[in-house]
Amino acid sequence: GQQVMQIPQYQHVQEGEDFTTYCNSSTTLSNIQWYKQRPGGHPVFLIQLVKSGEVKKQKRLTFQFGEAKKNSSLHITATQTTDVGTYFCAGRDTGGFKTIFGAGTRLFVKA
Amino acid sequence: DGGITQSPKYLFRKEGQNVTLSCEQNLNHDAMYWYRQDPGQGLRLIYYSQIVNDFQKGDIAEGYSVSREKKESFPLTVTSAQKNPTAFYLCASSISGGGAYNEQFFGPGTRLTVL
Repeated sequence: GQQVMQIPQYQHVQEGEDFTTYCNSSTTLSNIQWYKQRPGGHPVFLIQLVKSGEVKKQKRLTFQFGEAKKNSSLHITATQTTDVGTYFCAGRDTGGFKTIFGAGTRLFVKA
Repeated sequence: DGGITQSPKYLFRKEGQNVTLSCEQNLNHDAMYWYRQDPGQGLRLIYYSQIVNDFQKGDIAEGYSVSREKKESFPLTVTSAQKNPTAFYLCASSISGGGAYNEQFFGPGTRLTVL
């Protein structure tokens, strides 16, 4: 079945450093979504990518969807303590209904 | 004030008891979902419903049951058959199950502890 792998599992950075998390699917995706979950909270939708090679930016966050629509990345420039949390990718298989979540990357930011 | 609510926030039960977790949404969404999250883990799909009176098993449905009698409500019952029920349970909804855009809105979650 469809699998969505996400790396790294954890990342510790100094405030001001950049951060990237990567997501890879075993199958071609119709779309990929990114969510953020703060410690003790629930996942909150950040963005959805649909087109091959798509790049979207939200302030310091840059999201990319691979040309083959099987991988994606989230890059944060100059991290801040407010970026702390777990970032999940979630991909939907082409022709399917279920959205499969990656295991998440937990980001720790040291001030 | 639109949103998705789950109650209670914390729930304690004795082993062998069934327990029902509530999930209500007033977003007029057709699709609803239940996920389980274990410490340091991602989200695993238990059940989902694309429309009222219809639902399908997710990846870890064993030991759980659901109903979808109303569009707004999607309660989850954790039965005594679930071997390791202690976890954080998240309910979510989306406008529809299909379609190009199906962002999910999550409730605050219920943390279930079985003693």
